[in-house]
Amino acid sequence: AQSVTQLDSQVPVFEEAPVELRCNYSSSVSVYLFWYVQYPNQGLQLLLKYLSGSTLVKGINGFEAEFNKSQTSFHLRKPSVHISDTAEYFCAVTPNAGNMLTFGGGTRLMVKP
Amino acid sequence: NAGVMQNPRHLVRRRGQEARLRCSPMKGHSHVYWYRQLPEEGLKFMVYLQKENIIDESGMPKERFSAEFPKEGPSILRIQQVVRGDSAAYFCASSPNADVYEQYFGPGTRLTVT
Repeated sequence: AQSVTQLDSQVPVFEEAPVELRCNYSSSVSVYLFWYVQYPNQGLQLLLKYLSGSTLVKGINGFEAEFNKSQTSFHLRKPSVHISDTAEYFCAVTPNAGNMLTFGGGTRLMVKP
Repeated sequence: NAGVMQNPRHLVRRRGQEARLRCSPMKGHSHVYWYRQLPEEGLKFMVYLQKENIIDESGMPKERFSAEFPKEGPSILRIQQVVRGDSAAYFCASSPNADVYEQYFGPGTRLTVT
């Protein structure tokens, strides 16, 4: 079985500052990794995913994430945030041969002017 | 190309009533997944269906919950005799094949049990 831990439930940050949202996972098999964003009262939108290859993955809206196998982490970063990035962010994993996503508890990013 | 559609977006039921949640996958998608998001929590997998088949229901509560994806029409998640603890957002995702990394999510149905 897999599990995902998002260490920070809330991250407040000022506009134009850098941000890192942390994600650690546990799995006995190889996994695919994902970050999703959920704006208020909306569904989930895929930000980026790691399937294989380069450990640095670039996604939409200027976000990127780095897969670190030794530390079992997949932290999400953005060098300069905007007010519009205020949302809930979810990290998720699935085993390579799996058919379901296992989500972390979410991190609420609050960008202040 | 319309995305995944769910209706209703909001549903209020009294304890003991039935709730029916509908999910229309993206055009050409024949795989549907249901997830539940309890307040202040992440999404939890409930069930994975293909047309007319339940592939994995390991996340479904053993009683009162059922799901179907008929040959024609939307996928339905049914909750019988709802209780307050069923209040949550229910999300549907669809994919064109069995590749879980191609899941596209709908806007969700927010169920409130009074």
